[in-house]
Amino acid sequence: DIVMTQSPLSLPVTPGEPASISCRSSQSLLDGDDGNTYLDWYLQKPGQSPQLLIYMLSYRASGVPDRFSGSGSGTDFTLRISRVEAEDVGVYYCMQRIEFPFTFGPGTKVDIK
Amino acid sequence: QVQLVQSGAEVKKPGSSVKVSCRVSGGTFSTYAISWVRQAPGQGLEWMGGVTPIFGRSNYGHNFQGRVTITADESTNTAYMELTSLRSQDTAVYYCARGNGIHIWLLDLWGQGTLVTVSS
Repeated sequence: DIVMTQSPLSLPVTPGEPASISCRSSQSLLDGDDGNTYLDWYLQKPGQSPQLLIYMLSYRASGVPDRFSGSGSGTDFTLRISRVEAEDVGVYYCMQRIEFPFTFGPGTKVDIK
Repeated sequence: QVQLVQSGAEVKKPGSSVKVSCRVSGGTFSTYAISWVRQAPGQGLEWMGGVTPIFGRSNYGHNFQGRVTITADESTNTAYMELTSLRSQDTAVYYCARGNGIHIWLLDLWGQGTLVTVSS
């Protein structure tokens, strides 16, 4: 199985400041056939179901504010929040979708300082 | 508006089985995969497996093979996840999630979650 790791696991943030989360995979998530990178980001707010933020490396899901962006290549990926807002608190997960079984990172807990 | 509506909480004895349902309302069912993801108390997310209703084919996580069966009933727009030989470590919230657009295996839309408690 592809192993996903994230850092940091805990991230205190200041509203209005930028924040970033790193994610690494044990194998490349680049599909050589279609050129897509199958790395998605999810946010689970307290007491809620997870929600899709970013899919295929850098595409924002419907309704996701443009302060969220995804980047990276191969095995190294980053989720950036340009200016953190109070509503962004929760646990962020990366997930690989290039091969079965899909696997998640351990999660990064973001809270307000 | 498309919604994924899951069945209610369950309390099960060790060694028994549980079957959780996920009904897709207000949208297309057959052309997108339904995945199941579980979350043990205070823990992260774990993909269990999924099914593509139009093909009737399922894929499973290695941690669950042999104990989980994921199926889909196109006549009722409902997917099911059955987990057998339950143990206390299976106590978790179980979520279903559906793909979207051309991304049939994307976990785009999520159900509200179903708490399964395994206790003697």
